[in-house]
Amino acid sequence: AQTVTQSQPEMSVQEAETVTLSCTYDTSESDYYLFWYKQPPSRQMILVIRQEAYKQQNATENRFSVNFQKAAKSFSLKISDSQLGDAAMYFCAYRLRMVDMRFGAGTRLTVKP
Amino acid sequence: KAGVTQTPRYLIKTRGQQVTLSCSPISGHRSVSWYQQTPGQGLQFLFEYFSETQRNKGNFPGRFSGRQFSNSRSEMNVSTLELGDSALYLCASSLTGDNEQFFGPGTRLTVL
Repeated sequence: AQTVTQSQPEMSVQEAETVTLSCTYDTSESDYYLFWYKQPPSRQMILVIRQEAYKQQNATENRFSVNFQKAAKSFSLKISDSQLGDAAMYFCAYRLRMVDMRFGAGTRLTVKP
Repeated sequence: KAGVTQTPRYLIKTRGQQVTLSCSPISGHRSVSWYQQTPGQGLQFLFEYFSETQRNKGNFPGRFSGRQFSNSRSEMNVSTLELGDSALYLCASSLTGDNEQFFGPGTRLTVL
């Protein structure tokens, strides 16, 4: 079974600094998708960034980038120039084609002004 | 494009009752998935529907059921509610089901 592990239940970062959230996953497949989702307090879950496993280039979306290490089955999220609005629960997710998405337990990110 | 919508947003029921939650996906999306989110168990997959057929199912008892209509709207039903069913129920839609999902705001169900 595919599992997703987020080893950091909580993280804290100073505004304008950089923070990296960790995610590892377990799979025997070679073609899959990885995602980071953000869930602000009492608000909707939104997609932050996606990565297709067959692509070697790491995905980036403005201040958000990933470090995808396929052999190590690692998929970390780097947030640069952290803003107060980045405070949220961040979920790492894995999805095989046509199979349900698996989520990690989440990392709660606090941004200090 | 309008996002994923879920109704109702909040629901209070008592044990033994039945509840139906509704989800309207993003226009053009054919896949709808349902998740249960609780502080203790995190996000747990309930089921996925694609073109009116259940394609995947999580490890939930038969009290949890769902369906999808021809316009891709989906409903999930929970019968004989238990206290442990109190949770945020999230619906997510995707274009074909093998890529990213877009989530609705959720329905907060409280079982007393």
